[in-house]
Amino acid sequence: DAGVIQSPRHEVTEMGQEVTLRCKPISGHDYLFWYRQTMMRGLELLIYFNNNVPIDDSGMPEDRFSAKMPNASFSTLKIQPSEPRDSAVYFCASRLHSPGQGAIGELFFGEGSRLTVL
Amino acid sequence: KNQVEQSPQSLIILEGKNCTLQCNYTVSPFSNLRWYKQDTGRGPVSLTIMTFSENTKSNGRYTATLDADTKQSSLHITASQLSDSASYICVVTAWSDMRFGAGTRLTVKP
Repeated sequence: DAGVIQSPRHEVTEMGQEVTLRCKPISGHDYLFWYRQTMMRGLELLIYFNNNVPIDDSGMPEDRFSAKMPNASFSTLKIQPSEPRDSAVYFCASRLHSPGQGAIGELFFGEGSRLTVL
Repeated sequence: KNQVEQSPQSLIILEGKNCTLQCNYTVSPFSNLRWYKQDTGRGPVSLTIMTFSENTKSNGRYTATLDADTKQSSLHITASQLSDSASYICVVTAWSDMRFGAGTRLTVKP
């Protein structure tokens, strides 16, 4: 498997523009996560899906952010309108559910999408 | 307050030296603890996982320890190499809730 695939790797846009980040999880993984990483705040969970259903979106900063997972092999994170403070690296990660306490599966991360909003 | 605290925030060592990174947590109930390595410009990659009953686990030159009583973990790197330069992130899981530390930025200099 090629691992978690994210696109684009780099995105530079102007304030007010719409940004769409894309993610293809590892085949067979039933959990998908979107994270944002900044120097100040480290890795922050934005939202995660289980079997394509959003489970927890409490980390989504505001209504300008939205995420979808129309099928098991694709997810998008959209920012509209974008602002300079949205500049960060956005990671998608997936994992396989492991039954039983203490058996949470390993998170596999993509290479990230570096977003710069001017 | 972050439930996973890592120290030091950053560390610079000479190639060939050993170092130890610390992770203290208050996450409960404890399921497992993972150390991830994140190279610059890349996504984090899991190095090791520790469950409640495990005290130590090695992965090559990396050795992780866990003290579930004091809720502390350490990652020891032996005979450091330039390629060890990266951020090391401690992630503690409580049931299905994963808590991330802020990471330790390690720089290995020749």
